[in-house]
Amino acid sequence: GAVVSQHPSRVICKSGTSVKIECRSLDFQATTMFWYRQFPKKSLMLMATSNEGSKATYEQGVEKDKFLINHASLTLSTLTVTSAHPEDSSFYICSAYGAEQYFGPGTRLTVT
Amino acid sequence: RKEVEQDPGPFNVPEGATVAFNCTYSNSASQSFFWYRQDCRKEPKLLMSVYSSGNEDGRFTAQLNRASQYISLLIRDSKLSDSATYLCVVRSGNTGKLIFGQGTTLQVKP
Repeated sequence: GAVVSQHPSRVICKSGTSVKIECRSLDFQATTMFWYRQFPKKSLMLMATSNEGSKATYEQGVEKDKFLINHASLTLSTLTVTSAHPEDSSFYICSAYGAEQYFGPGTRLTVT
Repeated sequence: RKEVEQDPGPFNVPEGATVAFNCTYSNSASQSFFWYRQDCRKEPKLLMSVYSSGNEDGRFTAQLNRASQYISLLIRDSKLSDSATYLCVVRSGNTGKLIFGQGTTLQVKP
């Protein structure tokens, strides 16, 4: 069964609003989680590394003030897309390390 | 230059065919290598790790050539259910960061 869950699986929001995506490790603790973004027919691109109890590490070109990451517990990381715009529409996937790197089922964000 | 490069395809093959995918990576310090499978609108799932000695899992064989920084995946006796996108993935150092290739799309036809 799934070891990493994401919520919601799909969200549609209006331009200018903020959206929060949750990533949970279900039966293991994860001090590190990763957030990826995937545009249609493109590869997964790492956005940031989420560290429990400390600040996230963002990849070059990813705006930390736009993509807020909070890793408040060993089983939960959240990604908030602030002031979303249509170009933020994408498939957002988180992953966490257990026995191997497990991926969540992804969240499809559509900004209208 | 992309860190991990793959031919995006698509590869259209009949059932039962043998198909090979190739991948190159640019960072010689890369530590671990994988093939993932991704179905449409789903998350990627680990297909197999890749070792220098080569490894096989049923109809799937993976090879790694560190000197050439080249990775391959061979699928024998293709099934319709093998239709998916195959992602070449490289882990750099000990950070746990995975670098994904663009993926190669395989379509197996009856």
